[in-house]
Amino acid sequence: DTGVSQDPRHKITKRGQNVTFRCDPISEHNRLYWYRQTLGQGPEFLTYFQNEAQLEKSRLLSDRFSAERPKGSFSTLEIQRTEQGDSAMYLCASSLESGGYGYTFGSGTRLTVV
Amino acid sequence: KNEVEQSPQNLTAQEGEFITINCSYSVGISALHWLQQHPGGGIVSLFMLSSGKKKHGRLIATINIQEKHSSLHITASHPRDSAVYICAVVDGLTFGKGTHLIIQP
Repeated sequence: DTGVSQDPRHKITKRGQNVTFRCDPISEHNRLYWYRQTLGQGPEFLTYFQNEAQLEKSRLLSDRFSAERPKGSFSTLEIQRTEQGDSAMYLCASSLESGGYGYTFGSGTRLTVV
Repeated sequence: KNEVEQSPQNLTAQEGEFITINCSYSVGISALHWLQQHPGGGIVSLFMLSSGKKKHGRLIATINIQEKHSSLHITASHPRDSAVYICAVVDGLTFGKGTHLIIQP
């Protein structure tokens, strides 16, 4: 297992287009988290899954955002009708159970909306 | 919601100096993480601690649960330690804004 993988690393899109990011967690980890980080700020929580169930969503996750983890393995984060304010680094992390055992982060997907 | 404050926001020091980064939070927690983020975005978990002190190489992390405060220390700092250091509390993870550390040779 090579850790948490995110794809793509970089994405440039035109305003109004849809984008989808993928996260492959560590295989034994049943929790998967999505975060967004803008320049100069710490990451902000977006949503998390335990297995295939999406247990919590931040109010930051507007109707244009949707996340899935269909088989409790990889997850996708889709942004519809992208806006310039969506430009950020999108980070994925995984952990066992409550995360008190430690989190492993992916390298992130940097989204630029032009 | 837990408020996580880090200080300083920016720190520039000379190689070899002893570095201290502080983190305070507003609501009691079960554990706190110290993370390192290099340019390009990759985040590495340095420590997870719920009490006392942990040491790994030149890095030392301490936490005082009663005072809701944690510190990260770097001894004999080196230019390769230059990065953003972020503390995060374990409640779904609430992050501080990070401390941007530059170690000059």
